[in-house]
Amino acid sequence: EAGVAQSPRYKIIEKRQSVAFWCNPISGHATLYWYQQILGQGPKLLIQFQNNGVVDDSQLPKDRFSAERLKGVDSTLKIQPAKLEDSAVYLCATTELTNTGELFFGEGSRLTVL
Amino acid sequence: AQSVTQPDIHITVSEGASLELRCNYSYGATPYLFWYVQSPGQGLQLLLKYFSGDTLVQGIKGFEAEFKRSQSSFNLRKPSVHWSDAAEYFCAVGVSGNNRKLIWGLGTSLAVNP
Repeated sequence: EAGVAQSPRYKIIEKRQSVAFWCNPISGHATLYWYQQILGQGPKLLIQFQNNGVVDDSQLPKDRFSAERLKGVDSTLKIQPAKLEDSAVYLCATTELTNTGELFFGEGSRLTVL
Repeated sequence: AQSVTQPDIHITVSEGASLELRCNYSYGATPYLFWYVQSPGQGLQLLLKYFSGDTLVQGIKGFEAEFKRSQSSFNLRKPSVHWSDAAEYFCAVGVSGNNRKLIWGLGTSLAVNP
């Protein structure tokens, strides 16, 4: 079974530029999460989708971050414009609809903002 | 409010020694509990989980954890550590219901001396 796929693995941009990350979930996983993980910290939930609807985006900085999950499968996370403090690893995780919380993670996309 | 505490930020053990990583949680209902491991540059991988039943759970890579309701703890153990176990370890509590998500600890960094 293929795992959660993320791209790009690494991205370096200058502040005020934009960046987009892509996530392809495990087939059949209805729930998808984007996490931000700053170096030395635990994952911080940015947004949670169930199919193509948003369940929780309370910690998403909506003035600069956006995410979508068209057709309830792939998802993209965009940052525009980026700030220095956005330097982090962006993790995508998915789970089955009936799951009690076990998440399957991709390898992450590491963003460096200069 | 739900929270997860990992008291040890960093632990160093010698190869072959036993290991215990502490995790305490605060959650009003019966918790779903998880330990994830993150190797450098990688996403998070599930080590083990507790949903119900036997309070001693076995996981991958020789790890086990014991749920103690009276102490609100879910400590991770391994009898003999290998150099490849050096990684970041995260404890998490699963919030049940439609808004399924994990509450994360800040992680414990494990170093293994040869």
